[in-house]
Amino acid sequence: NAGVTQTPKFQVLKTGQSMTLQCAQDMNHNSMYWYRQDPGMGLRLIYYSASEGTTDKGEVPNGYNVSRLNKREFSLRLESAAPSQTSVYFCASSEGPVQEYYEQYFGPGTRLTVT
Amino acid sequence: AQSVTQLDSHVSVSEGTPVLLRCNYSSSYSPSLFWYVQHPNKGLQLLLKYTSAATLVKGINGFEAEFKKSETSFHLTKPSAHMSDAAEYFCVVSDSDYKLSFGAGTTVTVRA
Repeated sequence: NAGVTQTPKFQVLKTGQSMTLQCAQDMNHNSMYWYRQDPGMGLRLIYYSASEGTTDKGEVPNGYNVSRLNKREFSLRLESAAPSQTSVYFCASSEGPVQEYYEQYFGPGTRLTVT
Repeated sequence: AQSVTQLDSHVSVSEGTPVLLRCNYSSSYSPSLFWYVQHPNKGLQLLLKYTSAATLVKGINGFEAEFKKSETSFHLTKPSAHMSDAAEYFCVVSDSDYKLSFGAGTTVTVRA
């Protein structure tokens, strides 16, 4: 059981380049999330998908787009990378809403550097 | 909106001594509260969660947390620290059905 997987593990981009971060879960979870982690700031929600076919903005969505490709996969796209997007990106999934105490399961993260 | 304050950015303890990580939250209603742990270069793992069934919550690896509504606190404790407890710990509160607010994190170092 792989849980939540993310690709790539590391990436270096030049300013203005685009890329897509991939995330997949094999737990048949309904909800999926993208976070970024910056030093001293905890994790901040970029986008989430409550269920297949829906996506919503989180706390810091500017500069990002997402696609819920199917129930398993949720991708994050940077159309024109900026140095401010240098961060560690985590994908997560949950069976249901966190307000009903469903925990989120996290992937191992993608370290992105934009020069 | 919810917010979470972790009162210590860094805690250093000796192996075998108690660990206390402090967390205060603000909430306009009864929140869902979690503690997550992150070991170096790893993803986050759930330690425990408050589900309103009991104010004292037991988690994995000997950790527990007590929900105190009057103090709006959810402090994490462990009676005896182990070297493997060295990690970063996040107090987390639900913001809505799908949104979590993370504290800034507390880094725990364990001295031999």
